[in-house]
Amino acid sequence: NAGVTQTPKFQVLKTGQSMTLQCAQDMNHNSMYWYRQDPGMGLRLIYYSASEGTTDKGEVPNGYNVSRLNKREFSLRLESAAPSQTSVYFCATQTEFSGVYRIYNEQFFGPGTRLTVL
Amino acid sequence: QKEVEQNSGPLSVPEGAIASLNCTYSDRGSQSFFWYRQYSGKSPELIMSIYSNGDKEDGRFTAQLNKASQYVSLLIRDSQPSDSATYLCAGGRNYGGSQGNLIFGKGTKLSVKP
Repeated sequence: NAGVTQTPKFQVLKTGQSMTLQCAQDMNHNSMYWYRQDPGMGLRLIYYSASEGTTDKGEVPNGYNVSRLNKREFSLRLESAAPSQTSVYFCATQTEFSGVYRIYNEQFFGPGTRLTVL
Repeated sequence: QKEVEQNSGPLSVPEGAIASLNCTYSDRGSQSFFWYRQYSGKSPELIMSIYSNGDKEDGRFTAQLNKASQYVSLLIRDSQPSDSATYLCAGGRNYGGSQGNLIFGKGTKLSVKP
């Protein structure tokens, strides 16, 4: 099992260019997330998808769009890249143990994409 | 605003010592707590989960939870240089869907000196 995969691993863009970051999981999880991580800022949630067909904004959604293509795939698109979007982007999935009383939400991360916007 | 607070460090301990990492959270509704280890240039890796008050041990790692004080800690016994990393604390509510999203702290950088 590959777990959570992301492509590409590295990318350099010029200001104004567009690109799509791809994420795929084989863990059969419903929930998927996109984070960005910047020095001193921690992980910041960009968008999430609680299930196939639904997406919601997180803490820092401006400048991004997402698509939940199917249960396995969740992509993040930068329509017009800006230098402020230089960051490391992580995709994650979340376990849901549906019990009688409790749900345990463990997140598992992909390897990340290092994006530089010049 | 739900927050998880951690001391950014760096926390420096000698090899073989106990490293103690701490975290506080603001959301009293949080029920599940997690510790992630992140090596430089790598993605966060889940190392401990804790859901009940008290201690949970796994090898050299012990997670401690005190819901009354809204406090979570991670103890690393017999610290090794390979434990040098940033440790992220996260908490969340036990719900499905968006209400179960985790809140992450900014991380504590641990350095274990040989």
